[in-house]
Amino acid sequence: EAGVAQSPRYKIIEKRQSVAFWCNPISGHATLYWYQQILGQGPKLLIQFQNNGVVDDSQLPKDRFSAERLKGVDSTLKIQPAKLEDSAVYLCASRVRTEGAEQYFGPGTRLTVT
Amino acid sequence: AQSVAQPEDQVNVAEGNPLTVKCTYSVSGNPYLFWYVQYPNRGLQFLLKYITGDNLVKGSYGFEAEFNKSQTSFHLKKPSALVSDSALYFCAVRDIAGYALNFGKGTSLLVTP
Repeated sequence: EAGVAQSPRYKIIEKRQSVAFWCNPISGHATLYWYQQILGQGPKLLIQFQNNGVVDDSQLPKDRFSAERLKGVDSTLKIQPAKLEDSAVYLCASRVRTEGAEQYFGPGTRLTVT
Repeated sequence: AQSVAQPEDQVNVAEGNPLTVKCTYSVSGNPYLFWYVQYPNRGLQFLLKYITGDNLVKGSYGFEAEFNKSQTSFHLKKPSALVSDSALYFCAVRDIAGYALNFGKGTSLLVTP
């Protein structure tokens, strides 16, 4: 079974530029998450999708971050404009809809904002 | 609000010795508890979870964890550590009414030969 795919793996941009990350979840996983992991910290939820609908985006900085999951499969996370404090690893995870099911994580995208 | 605490930034163990990585949690209601491991430049890998049932949960790579409701703890254990177990370990909690996971800050495990 293929795992969660993410691209790119690494990205370096200057502040005020825009960037987009892509995620392809495990086939059949209805629930998809985007997390931000700052160095030395645990992952923090940014947004959760159930199929193509948003379940929770309460911690997403909506003035600069946006995310979509068209057709309930792939998802993109965009930052525009980026700030220095956005430097982090962005992790995508997915799981089946079964109560208590674990999440499976992709390898992440390491973003450096200079 | 739900949260987890991992009181140790780093745990050092000699190969072959038992290891314990500590985790305590705070939730309203019954928790779902998870342990994940992260190797350098890799995503998080699921190790084990407690949903309900037996307090002792067995997971991948010989790891196990004990759910203790009275002490609100979910410590990760392994009887005999391997050098390859060296990695970053995260505890996470989700209350039954919630959706996503709240992660601890992580504990770095170093197993020396």
